[in-house]
Amino acid sequence: DAKTTQPTSMDCAEGRAANLPCNHSTISGNEYVYWYRQIHSQGPQYIIHGLKNNETNEMASLIITEDRKSSTLILPHATLRDTAVYYCIVSETGTYKYIFGTGTRLKVLA
Amino acid sequence: DTGVSQDPRHKITKRGQNVTFRCDPISEHNRLYWYRQTLGQGPEFLTYFQNEAQLEKSRLLSDRFSAERPKGSFSTLEIQRTEQGDSAMYLCASSLVGGNTEAFFGQGTRLTVV
Repeated sequence: DAKTTQPTSMDCAEGRAANLPCNHSTISGNEYVYWYRQIHSQGPQYIIHGLKNNETNEMASLIITEDRKSSTLILPHATLRDTAVYYCIVSETGTYKYIFGTGTRLKVLA
Repeated sequence: DTGVSQDPRHKITKRGQNVTFRCDPISEHNRLYWYRQTLGQGPEFLTYFQNEAQLEKSRLLSDRFSAERPKGSFSTLEIQRTEQGDSAMYLCASSLVGGNTEAFFGQGTRLTVV
């Protein structure tokens, strides 16, 4: 079973920030939080990952709570092309045997 | 190198036939993974290789499924005697071993068994 819990779906207005939450209350000390997204009929696309510090790259920011039991993926200025299913995964570093849940279906509205 | 490549992108086969899919990982990546994804679900792990060694197989990988990575580069996934329940997207991913890195996925092969 997936170690994460995500809302089934979310809507976001184009140009606004999209904040996607993820609960991972049973995360262990050597497990990273990874985020991937999947646009219809394509393979999952890596977005970002982190251990305990907040991370930012050209696509998104990842905010991890101090107790590491939850995190939020932030897309700062959502566009229509960000409409996708977003998966939050916890995985021990270096294993990549990801256990995907059903993810959050994000719809960006014009 | 433009990423993980999978071939074919789509395959339609009749029940009972054998099919084989190919995955070419990112060239310097020594780990290669196969996943399966059915409609409305997230991908499910099937198996992975480190170089040419198959290190783990999921219980989802029935004896009709076999995967190889003969020279530690490309990999093939064969399904024998296909069944309608095998209809799915088959995804390949690759990564470096260990460290603080991520896995990269290909675009998948969509199999339809009729």
